[in-house]
Amino acid sequence: SAVISQKPSRDICQRGTSLTIQCQVDSQVTMMFWYRQQPGQSLTLIATANQGSEATYESGFVIDKFPISRPNLTFSTLTVSNMSPEDSSIYLCSVVRGGGVSTDTQYFGPGTRLTVL
Amino acid sequence: AQSVTQLDSHVSVSEGTPVLLRCNYSSSYSPSLFWYVQHPNKGLQLLLKYTSAATLVKGINGFEAEFKKSETSFHLTKPSAHMSDAAEYFCVHNAGGTSYGKLTFGQGTILTVHP
Repeated sequence: SAVISQKPSRDICQRGTSLTIQCQVDSQVTMMFWYRQQPGQSLTLIATANQGSEATYESGFVIDKFPISRPNLTFSTLTVSNMSPEDSSIYLCSVVRGGGVSTDTQYFGPGTRLTVL
Repeated sequence: AQSVTQLDSHVSVSEGTPVLLRCNYSSSYSPSLFWYVQHPNKGLQLLLKYTSAATLVKGINGFEAEFKKSETSFHLTKPSAHMSDAAEYFCVHNAGGTSYGKLTFGQGTILTVHP
């Protein structure tokens, strides 16, 4: 398994500001992922963050809006920039543990609940 | 493209009665399928996963899921619901390969358990 922590657990922010969310894992992992869960919705993958390379973003998400850092194998940050109320969501980071096959288990952090006013 | 469809957005059962949460998948090859549970204000927890070793998969807390290729289904069941089972459940697909780790989530099913 994996123990994942996120900071902050929740925040209320003003429109136009930015928030950086931190994700810490208890041991080294190659791949980390960031997901968004909008109110009443399912989870959607934002990007994949690999240490030593640029994050890769899914369709509909761009680096200018969601810059990601991955300085080492246990830590990543996601910034939500120039926020609007539509960015109000739960943001979750996750890691995969296993042998590199599709049945590997993905573990999730507790999430950061963001409300933008 | 691969996808999963959860057929019920809400399911309500009485405590002690069976639970059935339905999931259909769309995949051009043998899929990797998971069920996760999300309790209110809690993180996502893996219930079980299909690895092709067996079509009937047993998970935690008495949950099971049966992979049926002919029906492209991976329904989640539990013989007897408990109040603590009230949560949101997600059927999840992992395409693997170049999409390794990129999970596709179903829309979620909210399970309500009545006393």
